[in-house]
Amino acid sequence: DQQVKQNSPSLSVQEGRISILNCDYTNSMFDYFLWYKKYPAEGPTFLISISSIKDKNEDGRFTVFLNKSAKHLSLHIVPSQPGDSAVYFCAARPYTNAGKSTFGDGTTLTVKP
Amino acid sequence: NAGVMQNPRHLVRRRGQEARLRCSPVKGHSHVYWYRQLPEEGLKFMVYLQKENIIDESGMPKERFSAEFPKEGPSILRIQQVVRGDSAAYFCASSPQGTGNTEAFFGQGTRLTVV
Repeated sequence: DQQVKQNSPSLSVQEGRISILNCDYTNSMFDYFLWYKKYPAEGPTFLISISSIKDKNEDGRFTVFLNKSAKHLSLHIVPSQPGDSAVYFCAARPYTNAGKSTFGDGTTLTVKP
Repeated sequence: NAGVMQNPRHLVRRRGQEARLRCSPVKGHSHVYWYRQLPEEGLKFMVYLQKENIIDESGMPKERFSAEFPKEGPSILRIQQVVRGDSAAYFCASSPQGTGNTEAFFGQGTRLTVV
């Protein structure tokens, strides 16, 4: 039973365009959501987060949108750059437990020059 | 300010041997978490420790696996009598607090190969 799903294993976009990565969750106990970026042979690096009391959070080129009723969140990267090419993981957890995140299987983003 | 340090980066063990993975959290962080990543999958939570205490081990296999975070020194994930299915990347993370709007900082992982 996968509680966090990233249905697109891969995404390819042109440099300068928007990248949209999607994530769905099923557990209503999740009320804090994070996106991590991961390069091969490295650990995940935190990108951006959002709590369930918000529906949008922005940090530079990265924006996360949360639709609680649909149990869906998305990460928008605008404009996309070749250095953004990596695996992106969506993670969800209870607000009260900082370490017990449930991760999706990741989406590999390729940004073409 | 060093990040989360894991060692070794790569570990090869024969079936039946023991594997010991070490993790030094970010200085000042007292909350440590271990995750396992199998090929083509996401990270799976294993255990949450706070100095000298296991807070949540719900993701830890019941046998052969143990974890500790002593008062002094790094956190250790120990796998006894390793089997081929234990081959994976093991990531350690730490955070300054155990709750709230904080993110966990991850180390670079230990890649365990069981031959």
